[in-house]
Amino acid sequence: QSVLTQPPSVSGAPGQRVTISCTGSSSNIGAGYDVHWYQQLPGTAPKLLIYGNSNRPSGVPDRFSGSKSGTSASLAITGLQAEDEADYYCQSYDSSLDVFGTGTKVTVL
Amino acid sequence: QVQLVQSGAEVKKPGASVKVSCKASGYTFTSYYMHWVRQAPGHGLEWMGIINPSGGSTSYAQKFQGRVTMTRDTSTSTVYMELSSLRSEDTAVYYCARVGQAWEAHDAFDIWGQGTMVTVSS
Repeated sequence: QSVLTQPPSVSGAPGQRVTISCTGSSSNIGAGYDVHWYQQLPGTAPKLLIYGNSNRPSGVPDRFSGSKSGTSASLAITGLQAEDEADYYCQSYDSSLDVFGTGTKVTVL
Repeated sequence: QVQLVQSGAEVKKPGASVKVSCKASGYTFTSYYMHWVRQAPGHGLEWMGIINPSGGSTSYAQKFQGRVTMTRDTSTSTVYMELSSLRSEDTAVYYCARVGQAWEAHDAFDIWGQGTMVTVSS
């Protein structure tokens, strides 16, 4: 079982804003370790979306943003588009191992 | 361009072993740590372990200790993940993933292989 908890699903209409939470503890996110976010489209490998809590790799639209506070982190998608429908995972570090969140399915209504 | 190309799908019987390869190209192989992550059908991502392609040192998730071995061949810029004593619960897509920062063991994974489906069935 993962030590990083995400909501199983979130949904929104095109153009809306949705947020995904990633809740950890004092041994991972709360210990100051960075949080990274990945987008996984159906049948494909995960793709890096946000690194170091709030940085976007080149080519990632600025509709995607990340933040971190205390023992949690969040991914926000503004101006939701049909192609954003995917699974999203957070990742951090805990006790000498990398850990992933439970994953969140984003549905565009 | 920077890419990781994995070996093809495998079907194994319970109790057997499987060895998946991940060939790197487009960058200095020994400068970037490599991780292995798996994903069972309909489930989330599960971290398995890490290998330093430079010296070959490894660290594995406790869940896989004793069953997994990660190795590398610097002459072909390839890392390998071997999982033994396979059971049905090991049926999953296995990914290799590169850490984006040179010489950093734990950071964001910027490049992923395409994945290798391993099916364990009698």
